[in-house]
Amino acid sequence: DGGITQSPKYLFRKEGQNVTLSCEQNLNHDAMYWYRQDPGQGLRLIYYSQIVNDFQKGDIAEGYSVSREKKESFPLTVTSAQKNPTAFYLCASTPVAGEGQETQYFGPGTRLLVL
Amino acid sequence: AQSVTQLGSHVSVSEGALVLLRCNYSSSVPPYLFWYVQYPNQGLQLLLKYTSAATLVKGINGFEAEFKKSETSFHLTKPSAHMSDAAEYFCAVSQGGKLIFGQGTELSVKP
Repeated sequence: DGGITQSPKYLFRKEGQNVTLSCEQNLNHDAMYWYRQDPGQGLRLIYYSQIVNDFQKGDIAEGYSVSREKKESFPLTVTSAQKNPTAFYLCASTPVAGEGQETQYFGPGTRLLVL
Repeated sequence: AQSVTQLGSHVSVSEGALVLLRCNYSSSVPPYLFWYVQYPNQGLQLLLKYTSAATLVKGINGFEAEFKKSETSFHLTKPSAHMSDAAEYFCAVSQGGKLIFGQGTELSVKP
């Protein structure tokens, strides 16, 4: 079955630690996205990538980093510079980059908690 | 910049009653609009989308939404609520291939 997988489902971060959230898709989609979800704030865009080896900052990129070395993978690293990382993180992809009418397909999410 | 406003962070209806979730957008050009549903601790699932083909859009699970340009609205409705409709609903507008989301509306369904 085609889809988007995110791992782990739950992740715990200690003070000063960097952690990496995995996002993989086998849909052959060009564009991939990372969102952060906090209660009552909807989804906010962290980073997005429209093509391999290229990515752009979203609205809340500070304290996060990404890479896009392969079309199917878009990992997100939450660095120690992100002082309030506790949130639900969602990865999404869309078939064609830049086409506004394209549906974004979402993974099941990773919940990040701070110890 | 485009924005989306969902009126009411929490809506409660009785089973069998009409569901109405409100969404207003700001856009200087004809928008692409989306409604997504999220069940607890899960990702988002597309309910329906407006891409200018027809103003009344039908989606999954009996939901539909009407695009009203004069009111800059894209409200989501369902004639008869079911217990399984309890979830959080997000309206979104497309901007440069990215989605701008509203704050979400949590729908509760009472038996």
